[in-house]
Amino acid sequence: GDSVTQMEGPVTLSEEAFLTINCTYTATGYPSLFWYVQYPGEGLQLLLKATKADDKGSNKGFEATYRKETTSFHLEKGSVQVSDSAVYFCALESGFQKLVFGTGTRLLVSP
Amino acid sequence: NAGVTQTPKFRILKIGQSMTLQCTQDMNHNYMYWYRQDPGMGLKLIYYSVGAGITDKGEVPNGYNVSRSTTEDFPLRLELAAPSQTSVYFCASSYQNTEAFFGQGTRLTVV
Repeated sequence: GDSVTQMEGPVTLSEEAFLTINCTYTATGYPSLFWYVQYPGEGLQLLLKATKADDKGSNKGFEATYRKETTSFHLEKGSVQVSDSAVYFCALESGFQKLVFGTGTRLLVSP
Repeated sequence: NAGVTQTPKFRILKIGQSMTLQCTQDMNHNYMYWYRQDPGMGLKLIYYSVGAGITDKGEVPNGYNVSRSTTEDFPLRLELAAPSQTSVYFCASSYQNTEAFFGQGTRLTVV
């Protein structure tokens, strides 16, 4: 079945450092791909998405490119802030907008 | 606009007790979902619904039941609570081909 694998955390960075969180997927066809973010004590919020190969999703300085050849959707940000500290989930859409999630990666940014 | 509202936010149950987790959305979304989030794991789909009167099992439905009598409401029922059901439960809703919106979660502990 469909699955998502993302790098384990926590990822610990200093403010203004470059961020990469790796995500790869296994699926039949070419599903839409998502990054969701979960701030402490809150539900998940959509960060960005891409619906087809070579699409780049972007939001709040974060970017991810849908790579069909490598079945990847890595999340990047050029300069992280303390306020970016959260758990980040990679996910794919598996029919009827059902989501298959990775295990989540906790990001800790220190001043 | 309230979005997706879940109640209660926290609950402690004894083994064998039953309860209903409430979820309501005011966005007129036709699709609704229940996920559970266990520590160190991604979210897993319990049940979903594509419209009033229609429900279907997700990846981990055992021990749960749902109903969808209206577009707005999608309650999740636990009949005989077990320690394995200790988790954080998230309700979500969406339209076709749009992002899912999540509630803030219900933290359930079964002792």
